[in-house]
Amino acid sequence: RKEVEQDPGPFNVPEGATVAFNCTYSNSASQSFFWYRQDCRKEPKLLMSVYSSGNEDGRFTAQLNRASQYISLLIRDSKLSDSATYLCVVNTYNQFYFGTGTSLTVIP
Amino acid sequence: NAGVTQTPKFRVLKTGQSMTLLCAQDMNHEYMYWYRQDPGMGLRLIHYSVGEGTTAKGEVPDGYNVSRLKKQNFLLGLESAAPSQTSVYFCASSQPFGLGALNEQFFGPGTRLTVL
Repeated sequence: RKEVEQDPGPFNVPEGATVAFNCTYSNSASQSFFWYRQDCRKEPKLLMSVYSSGNEDGRFTAQLNRASQYISLLIRDSKLSDSATYLCVVNTYNQFYFGTGTSLTVIP
Repeated sequence: NAGVTQTPKFRVLKTGQSMTLLCAQDMNHEYMYWYRQDPGMGLRLIHYSVGEGTTAKGEVPDGYNVSRLKKQNFLLGLESAAPSQTSVYFCASSQPFGLGALNEQFFGPGTRLTVL
């Protein structure tokens, strides 16, 4: 079983739409959780960390459900510049495990 | 503050040739990592280091060696390159969980390697 699984998409949404990405992880001992953004042929960059209480950064909201071992990312009012691949990342005993990424294209 | 840098950015090798990829970080991070990224596979850990002078194998270590002689540098070596090692290689660094506020990873810009 993979450490981290996420729907690869692709998600094609119109500008202004709300889109949600989901991710599950297999190890209940995992300690920290992140969403990274990766643009084509570039390095992954941290979008936001994910806390049990949920956290919001502008149009982005991340949620963690430890009981279900489930992480989500919600993007509201999608912009063209949000087009990218979104990686779910889980840290377990100081090793980082990456999902294969979910591709998002925001259409004018 | 350059963050994480990688050299070279691009390289083409012939089968059987050797090369070393250099990663440097100026954030005084304890941990450093080497990943490869292939289409549809996501990022896979090759080797990592939890401190100067220490290294450990990741998920896909075969065909690679690493060294961490200085805290700020992490070298990835290919002794005899094979076409299966054609990939994009990313280096990353972080603080251990509990030391840094978030302990997220910071990535270098990547090295695009083609083995013919």
